[in-house]
Amino acid sequence: GAVVSQHPSRVICKSGTSVKIECRSLDFQATTMFWYRQFPKQSLMLMATSNEGSKATYEQGVEKDKFLINHASLTLSTLTVTSAHPEDSSFYICSARGSIRREQYFGPGTRLTVT
Amino acid sequence: QKEVEQNSGPLSVPEGAIASLNCTYSDRGSQSFFWYRQYSGKSPELIMSIYSNGDQEDGRFTAQLNKASQYVSLLIRDSQPSDSATYLCALFSGGYNKLIFGAGTRLAVHP
Repeated sequence: GAVVSQHPSRVICKSGTSVKIECRSLDFQATTMFWYRQFPKQSLMLMATSNEGSKATYEQGVEKDKFLINHASLTLSTLTVTSAHPEDSSFYICSARGSIRREQYFGPGTRLTVT
Repeated sequence: QKEVEQNSGPLSVPEGAIASLNCTYSDRGSQSFFWYRQYSGKSPELIMSIYSNGDQEDGRFTAQLNKASQYVSLLIRDSQPSDSATYLCALFSGGYNKLIFGAGTRLAVHP
């Protein structure tokens, strides 16, 4: 299967600061990337979908000004959590899909803790 | 009705047995189906894709699709304790350009 990396794997930040998470497709061109959030023992929650070079499409209830997504190239997408608060502490997972096949591959996730 | 339904489990099977995980979906127009495995604290991992009616086999895993009955299943032969995880069924929604996931079935394989 295709490989998707995420960095950092774990981050602790103070309330009010911003955190950037990178997601890279290592061996394929990801025309579409997805960002999910998952709280303990809960289902995956899709936050937004981004196509390379276009603005992200956010799911209902997700604040676009708080969760900034940039998909500037076919191999890189970033999620910036701005002015993070403790309630933003969660497991953030990116996922990527190429242009031809429908398979979607997940990165290893980033565990964010806001103190 | 949820778009993708799975029994939350836990499904408990003894080591060496066949684990059978089931999934039903509501959109009759769906064409692409996937099974992901998610270990606790980890991200989902794609284990099977299936696009046409019938069986798709990969090692100990067999995915089965019946579009008439709107039913997808995953069989795990010779189940191992390392197969203990949550299994997510998903379909691709062309209308929304995204995967629609079921809530997942927790599988526990006991020695």
